[in-house]
Amino acid sequence: AQSVAQPEDQVNVAEGNPLTVKCTYSVSGNPYLFWYVQYPNRGLQFLLKYITGDNLVKGSYGFEAEFNKSQTSFHLKKPSALVSDSALYFCAVFLYGNNRLAFGKGNQVVVIP
Amino acid sequence: DAGITQSPRHKVTETGTPVTLRCHQTENHRYMYWYRQDPGHGLRLIHYSYGVKDTDKGEVSDGYSVSRSKTEDFLLTLESATSSQTSVYFCAISESVWDSNDGYTFGSGTRLTVV
Repeated sequence: AQSVAQPEDQVNVAEGNPLTVKCTYSVSGNPYLFWYVQYPNRGLQFLLKYITGDNLVKGSYGFEAEFNKSQTSFHLKKPSALVSDSALYFCAVFLYGNNRLAFGKGNQVVVIP
Repeated sequence: DAGITQSPRHKVTETGTPVTLRCHQTENHRYMYWYRQDPGHGLRLIHYSYGVKDTDKGEVSDGYSVSRSKTEDFLLTLESATSSQTSVYFCAISESVWDSNDGYTFGSGTRLTVV
């Protein structure tokens, strides 16, 4: 089945340290991958997407993601985390033939001052 | 969120009663989706629509129905609410993930409590 997996429920990181949120995917064909962020009591907001091209994708709020085909991964990264980055992060993959996204379970990120 | 509105934002209802949630968009997007969000499950698709009067089931459609009589409105109905349907419901819209810059645009959600 086509899906994404986010293996960690929560990621804790000290402010100023690098932040990584992990995502692996399983699709048939070329993957189209997305990251979204959800702040408390809000809907999801788009961060970035990989469709084709460079393996390193840059997005909003200083985030970037690295597409790795051999490891079937699409990890989200930020060089220096801010307290305001504390939120829920979702990885998603486009499902062929249905024009819809399948989402992972989400990762809670806690940035410690 | 700009261009998409969900109503109501909060609702408490009793077991066994019907409930309708509304999603309204001003973007004229073709695709509309209803998700529910629960701890440990992330977002799960309930139903989606690919045009007026064109809808299909998602992965957790039991107990839910939808209607789309106009491009801008997508209604989600819980036919007879149960406590297991206590959740946060999100509507999303897209024209096409192939062409749009940000895939889906999400509404702010409806928090539904079934007592």
